[in-house]
Amino acid sequence: ETGVTQTPRHLVMGMTNKKSLKCEQHLGHNAMYWYKQSAKKPLELMFVYNFKEQTENNSVPSRFSPECPNSSHLFLHLHTLQPEDSALYLCASSQDEYEAFFGQGTRLTVV
Amino acid sequence: AQKVTQAQTEISVVEKEDVTLDCVYETRDTTYYLFWYKQPPSGELVFLIRRNSFDEQNEISGRYSWNFQKSTSSFNFTITASQVVDSAVYFCALSEATSGTYKYIFGTGTRLKVLA
Repeated sequence: ETGVTQTPRHLVMGMTNKKSLKCEQHLGHNAMYWYKQSAKKPLELMFVYNFKEQTENNSVPSRFSPECPNSSHLFLHLHTLQPEDSALYLCASSQDEYEAFFGQGTRLTVV
Repeated sequence: AQKVTQAQTEISVVEKEDVTLDCVYETRDTTYYLFWYKQPPSGELVFLIRRNSFDEQNEISGRYSWNFQKSTSSFNFTITASQVVDSAVYFCALSEATSGTYKYIFGTGTRLKVLA
């Protein structure tokens, strides 16, 4: 098992669809993150969870809804997205002040 | 506020040339951590190095070296004798604790193209 696994790798969804991105880490880390990477604003921090509790919401629109049922799993629920939400969504995990480990990302296209 | 600036958007070099990627950061904290990541075309960010704010010793790892200078708030990355496989986007990042949680603030990245 790789350290941080994201599914799906690619997703195409319509603006009225509801979908979810999944992230799983096998490193025993206490913190998990969602980042958005687009051409206009590379690597924007979206959400931070520490021991399942959300500690950061970086003014993300409510059409993005995170869920962290335990320290190993992180979801990003998507609904009524806009074309400008098309981007690479990266999940990461870390332990305390050490480096974050990233998944390979989900390439999202909103049509 | 935390900020990381990578002024070089894109650099192109010929194989075997040395190249330095610049990183300048801003922070009010005395305890912080700096990182470099590599992002190949596959998309995954690959961790390269971590430094804490109390350790200004430069580091060398093979063809890679890092120069950390607190006086100029810089953490520059040099690749010696570059290779085509070094072609990627490189990100510098800053981490600080906020309410017990660490978050990573990234620069805009530098795209390195190494030409054969």
